[in-house]
Amino acid sequence: AIRMTQSPSSFSASTGDRVTITCRASQDISSYLAWYQQKPGKAPKLLISAASTLQDGVPSRFSGSGSGTDFTLIISCLQSEDFAVYFCQQYYNYPWTFGQGTTVEVK
Amino acid sequence: EVQLLESGGGLVQPGGSLRLSCAASGFTFSGYAMSWVRQAPGKGLEWVSTIRDSGAQTYYAESVEGRFTISRDNSENTLYLQMNSLRAEDTALYYCAKGRCVSGYCPNDYWGQGTLVTVSS
Repeated sequence: AIRMTQSPSSFSASTGDRVTITCRASQDISSYLAWYQQKPGKAPKLLISAASTLQDGVPSRFSGSGSGTDFTLIISCLQSEDFAVYFCQQYYNYPWTFGQGTTVEVK
Repeated sequence: EVQLLESGGGLVQPGGSLRLSCAASGFTFSGYAMSWVRQAPGKGLEWVSTIRDSGAQTYYAESVEGRFTISRDNSENTLYLQMNSLRAEDTALYYCAKGRCVSGYCPNDYWGQGTLVTVSS
């Protein structure tokens, strides 16, 4: 199975900060990477697919980049509603695998 | 509006069985791959199984292969997960998720709210 490793696992940030989360795949997954946001008690929400395609309705402060094995999620100007857990997922082949999650906490 | 409503979770003893259902609405169910993803309490996400739009192709995580069966009834817009030989480590919130396939690659663009499965004696 392809292993997905996110970093950092958690960190504290303030509203207005630029936030960068990285995700590394244990093998080449082309651009078949998704980013999800999960808030407490809620289902995950798809933010980005195909490594960089923003889903309808997702604010433009979110962006994704990368291909192959290294990927990045950037939140350009953190808002209060962005404090959450973020997961990356590869859907290049089965079994699909997720990163362990990155918790963005209030500083 | 896309809606996915899971049901069928509950408390079951180790070795027991449960059948989860996911009622879908707001989209043409028969045209989309569907998946189950689970999340143990306080843990991350774990993909469980996926079924293609026609139901002809199914995929499973190694941890559930041979014990769980995914199926769908396109006439009833419903996804199922039959879970047998349940173990304590199957305890989790089970999400139903809709695939958004592009060239056969399908991230999950809509998720239900989940149904909780607890395996305990």
